[in-house]
Amino acid sequence: ETGVTQTPRHLVMGMTNKKSLKCEQHLGHNAMYWYKQSAKKPLELMFVYNFKEQTENNSVPSRFSPECPNSSHLFLHLHTLQPEDSALYLCASSPAAEWETDTQYFGPGTRLTVL
Amino acid sequence: AQKITQTQPGMFVQEKEAVTLDCTYDTSDQSYGLFWYKQPSSGEMIFLIYQGSYDEQNATEGRYSLNFQKARKSANLVISASQLGDSAMYFCAMRERNNQGGKLIFGQGTELSVKP
Repeated sequence: ETGVTQTPRHLVMGMTNKKSLKCEQHLGHNAMYWYKQSAKKPLELMFVYNFKEQTENNSVPSRFSPECPNSSHLFLHLHTLQPEDSALYLCASSPAAEWETDTQYFGPGTRLTVL
Repeated sequence: AQKITQTQPGMFVQEKEAVTLDCTYDTSDQSYGLFWYKQPSSGEMIFLIYQGSYDEQNATEGRYSLNFQKARKSANLVISASQLGDSAMYFCAMRERNNQGGKLIFGQGTELSVKP
């Protein structure tokens, strides 16, 4: 595997379900990110992990819970979601979330539908 | 106020012709980076090109070049010799040095359609 991978690619869940999204990067990077992309809206940053430490939580509801066990893996745990949480969830990684030159590389995304 | 503005929701271009996608930005930071990403219908965001605020020359990557006009705060993407596979959404993004959280600020995107 190369680059940034995400599983599953598609997920349909009910509002009472608990599920997790997984992201793995094979680039040797130290920073990982979760973004949400709703239809017809710009990408919204959700969480940032830099050297496994969470450095940004962009006012995300507590029904989204991130976990970064090491610099290669990032999870997004989902519980009691709402239909408006249906979106494309993109994971990204970068060498380190410190400088303006830091380029983020994205995974293919998980398309989530909440019924 | 929006930090990244892409004024063209949709663009059409004939195959093999060049096309310019507009991007203007707003920042008070002296050091910043500008990025362009391509998003095909499959969803993946593909990094295309980077321009640093202190770079004196316009960035180029293959058929992609960035027309950087610092005084006007614009960073337009130029795609030369368009191909059918270039049909996608294109996003301009900015990262400011003073934003230590790693936040990339994205524009609304431009949907490019390449006609055969």
